[in-house]
Amino acid sequence: NAGVTQTPKFQVLKTGQSMTLQCAQDMNHEYMSWYRQDPGMGLRLIHYSVGAGITDQGEVPNGYNVSRSTTEDFPLRLLSAAPSQTSVYFCASRSPQAGVSYEQYFGPGTRLTVT
Amino acid sequence: GEDVEQSLFLSVREGDSSVINCTYTDSSSTYLYWYKQEPGAGLQLLTYIFSNMDMKQDQRLTVLLNKKDKHLSLRIADTQTGDSAIYFCAERGDAGNMLTFGGGTRLMVKP
Repeated sequence: NAGVTQTPKFQVLKTGQSMTLQCAQDMNHEYMSWYRQDPGMGLRLIHYSVGAGITDQGEVPNGYNVSRSTTEDFPLRLLSAAPSQTSVYFCASRSPQAGVSYEQYFGPGTRLTVT
Repeated sequence: GEDVEQSLFLSVREGDSSVINCTYTDSSSTYLYWYKQEPGAGLQLLTYIFSNMDMKQDQRLTVLLNKKDKHLSLRIADTQTGDSAIYFCAERGDAGNMLTFGGGTRLMVKP
């Protein structure tokens, strides 16, 4: 199993550009999430999905869109990038059968800089 | 919203014990977690504790929970250079689906 994969690893955008961060998992996990990590602020939940066709907003959803057409893929779209979206983005997945351990599997991250 | 706080930095010598502290505000927290992030990688679950427990031990790791003070700690015995990483505390409220993370504590282990 490859686990959770994310592409690209690094990206530089100009303000106003759009792009899609890709996330895929091969563990047949129903739950997938996107987080952003900023220095000293831990991880903040952007959007999450509990299954194909179902998405919901997290703590900081503004400026981001998601869709979940398959169990495996959960792309994150920035429609008009802003410098405030400079961050490291992590995708995570877990099985609902993870139970109380709530173990999430994280991808390696995408470091995004918006100039 | 709910808040989880950690100190930013801890430095210890190899072989010493490390204690990383965390405070949280959500009185309905059901489970509390410790994650480890190594450089350039995502987070990895280390251990977790149910809110009705005071302590959990797992090899070199000891988790202590003071629910009255809403204080969680992670003790790493015989700290090794490979333990150098950022450690995140997280709590799960009774709503279920979402974890709230602290800002992370960077542990540096000196040889």
